[in-house]
Amino acid sequence: DTAVSQTPKYLVTQMGNDKSIKCEQNLGHDTMYWYKQDSKKFLKIMFSYNNKELIINETVPNRFSPKSPDKAHLNLHINSLELGDSAVYFCASSPRWGASEKLFFGSGTQLSVL
Amino acid sequence: GESVGLHLPTLSVQEGDNSIINCAYSNSASDYFIWYKQESGKGPQFIIDIRSNMDKRQGQRVTVLLNKTVKHLSLQIAATQPGDSAVYFCAEANTGNQFYFGTGTSLTVIP
Repeated sequence: DTAVSQTPKYLVTQMGNDKSIKCEQNLGHDTMYWYKQDSKKFLKIMFSYNNKELIINETVPNRFSPKSPDKAHLNLHINSLELGDSAVYFCASSPRWGASEKLFFGSGTQLSVL
Repeated sequence: GESVGLHLPTLSVQEGDNSIINCAYSNSASDYFIWYKQESGKGPQFIIDIRSNMDKRQGQRVTVLLNKTVKHLSLQIAATQPGDSAVYFCAEANTGNQFYFGTGTSLTVIP
């Protein structure tokens, strides 16, 4: 069983389109995250959610809108895609907010904006 | 944001040798540190962690050393194997789950 699963694995789209990435965790964790990894492999936090509530929004453009229907799911919708959005997006989860515990990552979604 | 840096972006070692990957962090308030391994096409995988009340922690073939005085973290891999080839990240956290990642070191194991 995959602990943190995200779909799709690859996403190729044109500039200006709107796309979504889905994430689900079956670990019973309270906290979920979206990270962006650029071409130089740098991992940057985008959003953190705890029990469906937004905790951290790291100055991400409002074209990015996360949604958490329940604590096991955190989806990411991106409007009006730009070339600079091309990256690998990772979903992650951790047991509890504020407990300094390790993150469990999904396998990533490679987004290519043409 | 936080600054978590690595001294070497790439590292090549012979199979069977020991590897040492270094990481510098800037926030003296950070109290939790993790090393992750990322293989090509996969997400980061947890290797080992250490809290600020410790200076050394050992796992299977891996050891993490923490020097809070100079804000330095290192990962030692014993008897490096080809399967250890990957990008290694250090991450620091403070006040809970706000993690900041370093830029990564690419480790290549030469058979």
